[in-house]
Amino acid sequence: KAGVTQTPRYLIKTRGQQVTLSCSPISGHRSVSWYQQTPGQGLQFLFEYFSETQRNKGNFPGRFSGRQFSNSRSEMNVSTLELGDSALYLCASSLARGRSETQYFGPGTRLLVL
Amino acid sequence: AQKITQTQPGMFVQEKEAVTLDCTYDTSDQSYGLFWYKQPSSGEMIFLIYQGSYDEQNATEGRYSLNFQKARKSANLVISASQLGDSAMYFCAMRAWEAGGTSYGKLTFGQGTILTVHP
Repeated sequence: KAGVTQTPRYLIKTRGQQVTLSCSPISGHRSVSWYQQTPGQGLQFLFEYFSETQRNKGNFPGRFSGRQFSNSRSEMNVSTLELGDSALYLCASSLARGRSETQYFGPGTRLLVL
Repeated sequence: AQKITQTQPGMFVQEKEAVTLDCTYDTSDQSYGLFWYKQPSSGEMIFLIYQGSYDEQNATEGRYSLNFQKARKSANLVISASQLGDSAMYFCAMRAWEAGGTSYGKLTFGQGTILTVHP
């Protein structure tokens, strides 16, 4: 079974631009979560989607948004990019059938904002 | 709110020896799960092991075991017979849930421990 895939793997943008990242979960997984990883702040939860609905949201400004499609694929969008948005963005999926469910992560998208 | 503390920024171990990576947590929730992930330099987070707060037995997965001490709020990862390929960043994470809650996605991570395995 294919793992979680994320596209693109690397991205360079300039301040003020917007960016859209894509995540395809493991087949059959219904929950998709997004995380931001930076050297200074570590791994921080962005949001979680389940059945096309945002179920949980981390403490990030409104510039960060996401959505989930009927096939469980998810996208996250960052508008008006800032230098501090440079990070590794990780997507994770799970079956979401129980509380002990493990999240499986994709390889991440490395975003550099210049 | 949940908090994970990993006090060892870096650890060194000789190949074939065992190593323990420390993790303490703080939560007021009664139900929670603890996870360990490995992150090689490539960036992908690899799931290693899971322990539920009500599990009576310590979790084991191959060379990985979790030393769970609920009263001390610690969930240390033990890697036996270290291999060169074990060199990576290791993260402890937790997920807590309120009664009737439906969110499964939010993991809280520690700062990580870089493990270096020497030949």
